[in-house]
Amino acid sequence: SQKIEQNSEALNIQEGKTATLTCNYTNYSPAYLQWYRQDPGRGPVFLLLIRENEKEKRKERLKVTFDTTLKQSLFHITASQPADSATYLCAPEVGYGGATNKLIFGTGTLLAVQP
Amino acid sequence: DGGITQSPKYLFRKEGQNVTLSCEQNLNHDAMYWYRQDPGQGLRLIYYSQIVNDFQKGDIAEGYSVSREKKESFPLTVTSAQKNPTAFYLCASSMQGGSYNEQFFGPGTRLTVL
Repeated sequence: SQKIEQNSEALNIQEGKTATLTCNYTNYSPAYLQWYRQDPGRGPVFLLLIRENEKEKRKERLKVTFDTTLKQSLFHITASQPADSATYLCAPEVGYGGATNKLIFGTGTLLAVQP
Repeated sequence: DGGITQSPKYLFRKEGQNVTLSCEQNLNHDAMYWYRQDPGQGLRLIYYSQIVNDFQKGDIAEGYSVSREKKESFPLTVTSAQKNPTAFYLCASSMQGGSYNEQFFGPGTRLTVL
């Protein structure tokens, strides 16, 4: 069955540095992958979507890469700020094409940015 | 304000009781979803609906039921058959079904079985 792995340990970094979060998937090849941010006790918020034919996608300070050979996506936050502290969820798609596709969510990585 | 709402925020239930969680959206989205989140686990899909009067089971549908009589509403009933219902429940919607559409999540309902 499909398996998603994200760093289970919290990532602690200093303000201003670049945070890099990893998402690995096994046993399948998603055509799309999404990243979400979740704050404690709240619903996730969509950040970025990347397709298998896109190696990289950027949005302001965020950058996502998608390596279909390594079966891995990396999520980068440059010039990190304490307000970036949250749990980040990776969600590759799984399905059979078209409207029946679903997302499988990873357990998330907690990012803590220290001032 | 466009968005997706869930109620109540906190819900307590006695063992053996059914309980219904509300989810409403005014985004005019076709697709709606219910997820369950437990500590240390990713979101797991319970049910989803791509259109009114149609819904499909997700990965953990046992002990749950849904209805989709209106486009804006997708209530989830947690039945007494659900063996471990204490969890954080999240409702989401997207413009259409399919993973190429971002999902918009509600604030969640935390259900505790006493």
